[in-house]
Amino acid sequence: DAGITQSPRHKVTETGTPVTLRCHQTENHRYMYWYRQDPGHGLRLIHYSYGVKDTDKGEVSDGYSVSRSKTEDFLLTLESATSSQTSVYFCAISLDTAGYTFGSGTRLTVV
Amino acid sequence: GENVEQHPSTLSVQEGDSAVIKCTYSDSASNYFPWYKQELGKRPQLIIDIRSNVGEKKDQRIAVTLNKTAKHFSLHITETQPEDSAVYFCAAIPSGGNEKLTFGTGTRLTIIP
Repeated sequence: DAGITQSPRHKVTETGTPVTLRCHQTENHRYMYWYRQDPGHGLRLIHYSYGVKDTDKGEVSDGYSVSRSKTEDFLLTLESATSSQTSVYFCAISLDTAGYTFGSGTRLTVV
Repeated sequence: GENVEQHPSTLSVQEGDSAVIKCTYSDSASNYFPWYKQELGKRPQLIIDIRSNVGEKKDQRIAVTLNKTAKHFSLHITETQPEDSAVYFCAAIPSGGNEKLTFGTGTRLTIIP
């Protein structure tokens, strides 16, 4: 389905616990991104990657870390989840400036 | 960094009428402007895009216009249909490389039958 999958699709976790979200692509695209979507804020960039082991911060990176050890996988980790991190998380991939392809999203609830 | 503003945040139009959504950007070096449509509970999907060397682009009932001097671009949907109801996002790629898009805050379009 569009060459990009996210897992899990839904997750409920407790405050203070670590959480890892996975993005997997089969397109061999160089660029991968993690966005969060919240009402009134649109899509905000958390972290992105421009190659294996090459990552950089986006506008809302506090409390998040990422890793990319293989071209196809981009992991987003919340080291100690907080209620403010309740959101829908989208992964996206791109080859160049031809536009992004988004994953189906992960709905994360921190209680 | 780039800043993209999008208006209006909500828009309701009668079926068959036209809808226009407007965005402004801050970085004059931005050169790629896509539009995404997100239906309820679904992922955002690219519907049309325009590059800075083009002033207008059309795809059936959808068109995008770009005014580089004023740093704004607009999405035009003609002959609206119920399936056009969705949230629409504009975006721009700023200078600096590594291809990261900055998104507007979205417009919820409702088509009234």
